[in-house]
Amino acid sequence: GDSVTQMEGPVTLSEEAFLTINCTYTATGYPSLFWYVQYPGEGLQLLLKATKADDKGSNKGFEATYRKETTSFHLEKGSVQVSDSAVYFCALREQGAQKLVFGQGTRLTINP
Amino acid sequence: ETGVTQSPTHLIKTRGQQVTLRCSSQSGHNTVSWYQQALGQGPQFIFQYYREEENGRGNFPPRFSGLQFPNYSSELNVNALELDDSALYLCASRPRGGESYNEQFFGPGTRLTVL
Repeated sequence: GDSVTQMEGPVTLSEEAFLTINCTYTATGYPSLFWYVQYPGEGLQLLLKATKADDKGSNKGFEATYRKETTSFHLEKGSVQVSDSAVYFCALREQGAQKLVFGQGTRLTINP
Repeated sequence: ETGVTQSPTHLIKTRGQQVTLRCSSQSGHNTVSWYQQALGQGPQFIFQYYREEENGRGNFPPRFSGLQFPNYSSELNVNALELDDSALYLCASRPRGGESYNEQFFGPGTRLTVL
């Protein structure tokens, strides 16, 4: 079945550091890929998405590129802020399906 | 426009009891999905409702059931609660059209604790 594997957390960085959170997936078809963010005490918010190979999703300084050849969708940000502290989830959705399949999440803490 | 809302925020039940969780979809949304997020895990798909009928289900037993109402609000019912049902339950709705057609918008969740 479909699955998503994320980099184990927690990840702790200093403000202005470069961030990478790895995500790889297994899918039978051509899924859409997503990154969601969950702030403490809140639900999930869509951060960015990509619907086909080589697409780059971007939002709030975060970027991720859909790499079909490596089945990856790594999340990056050039300079993180304390306000980026949250749990980040990589997810996929197969074509024609509405079910999202999530990774286990990566907790990110940014220290001032 | 208002977002997806869920009630209650927190709930404590004992093993064997039944619980009903509620979700109000965002205006203009006609599909609702429910997810279970255990502590430290990613959300797991329970089921989806469209036009008041279940049209997709994850690997959850029949004691997990739901309803969708004509105003697109929804309920998740869990019977015979077990300790492992302790989790954050998330509701997500999807718009019937527009630019965000394929996006799911999540509510803040209901934290269920089973003792």
